[in-house]
Amino acid sequence: AQTVTQSQPEMSVQEAETVTLSCTYDTSESDYYLFWYKQPPSRQMILVIRQEAYKQQNATENRFSVNFQKAAKSFSLKISDSQLGDAAMYFCAHRSNNNDMRFGAGTRLTVKP
Amino acid sequence: EAGVAQSPRYKIIEKRQSVAFWCNPISGHATLYWYQQILGQGPKLLIQFQNNGVVDDSQLPKDRFSAERLKGVDSTLKIQPAKLEDSAVYLCASSFWGARQETQYFGPGTRLLVL
Repeated sequence: AQTVTQSQPEMSVQEAETVTLSCTYDTSESDYYLFWYKQPPSRQMILVIRQEAYKQQNATENRFSVNFQKAAKSFSLKISDSQLGDAAMYFCAHRSNNNDMRFGAGTRLTVKP
Repeated sequence: EAGVAQSPRYKIIEKRQSVAFWCNPISGHATLYWYQQILGQGPKLLIQFQNNGVVDDSQLPKDRFSAERLKGVDSTLKIQPAKLEDSAVYLCASSFWGARQETQYFGPGTRLLVL
């Protein structure tokens, strides 16, 4: 089964600055989907961004973008112009062909005013 | 559009007691998931339904956990009897039809504390 590793338990960023959260995964498949979810203290998981493995172009959603390196099995999330509301737990997830979804352990992001 | 609803939001029970959680997915979503999220960890899939049929329950501890989705809409997850290590947040999610590209939408979760 695939595994997802987030090596940064905690990260902090100054408001308006840029931060990058790391994620690596292990899979034997060539076609899959990758996700970043945000979980604020209220615990409602919210989709931030997703990437189809067959697409070479990195996904972007406003201030959020990814750096997808398929050969390296790396999927980092970049948050630009960080805002106080970005503070949350961020989970990287891999979804395989059989819909098996695996999450990393998460990175807690703190935004300093 | 209403999101995924879950109840109760919090539950405290003693070990060996039983507990049930309820989930109402987004209208029209055929696929429903139950996840267990232990403090400090990412969610772990317990069971996946497609309409009222089970697609994947390989990580469900079947000796004590059970789940059903009788009419293909609402779902209940039951723990009987509960153990201390079952303390976690139980998340329900749904997606349109479970295709790989379909996004899962999560409910607020039920926080369970087993004493």
